[in-house]
Amino acid sequence: ELKVEQNPLFLSMQEGKNYTIYCNYSTTSDRLYWYRQDPGKSLESLFVLLSNGAVKQEGRLMASLDTKARLSTLHITAAVHDLSATYFCAVGQGAQKLVFGQGTRLTINP
Amino acid sequence: GAGVSQSPSNKVTEKGKDVELRCDPISGHTALYWYRQSLGQGLEFLIYFQGNSAPDKSGLPSDRFSAERTGGSVSTLTIQRTQQEDSAVYLCASSPLTEAFFGQGTRLTVV
Repeated sequence: ELKVEQNPLFLSMQEGKNYTIYCNYSTTSDRLYWYRQDPGKSLESLFVLLSNGAVKQEGRLMASLDTKARLSTLHITAAVHDLSATYFCAVGQGAQKLVFGQGTRLTINP
Repeated sequence: GAGVSQSPSNKVTEKGKDVELRCDPISGHTALYWYRQSLGQGLEFLIYFQGNSAPDKSGLPSDRFSAERTGGSVSTLTIQRTQQEDSAVYLCASSPLTEAFFGQGTRLTVV
């Protein structure tokens, strides 16, 4: 059974700092996603990673995928307050359901 | 283009009543998911429909919960004899087998 674990689950950081959120999964997968959720809102798709070594960047966020290590990272560069949210990774294999991690609640302080 | 639409957006119901939550997926998406999210918590998987295959119901918390997807499109999640612990946001997502796109959710409050 596919299991997905994120860490850390809670992260408080200062503006301007860099940090990384990790997403580990337990079995072979062919796609991995990162989502953002603001309080009281639904999930917004950030990145879709489909192959080993894939790297995607959008603004201060960069996501990468290592399928051999079954690991994806979401790197935050020079954090700003607007990035405060909960971030979820999700992993899929074939036609099977997506499995989500527990989420990482990120708080960025001035 | 229309996204995933859920209705109602908010529902307050009395304990013991039945409720129906509706999800209109993006046209052509073969996969449809229902998740539940309690305040401040992660996503709890409920049920997954994929094309004409038998749905994956492994996440439904009790036999009070059921869901159907008619004609491979609209889905209805039904909760019978609601309990206070059913209070949560119910999220629907649809997918063409790549990424999943989420609706805005239905906030259910059982009083």
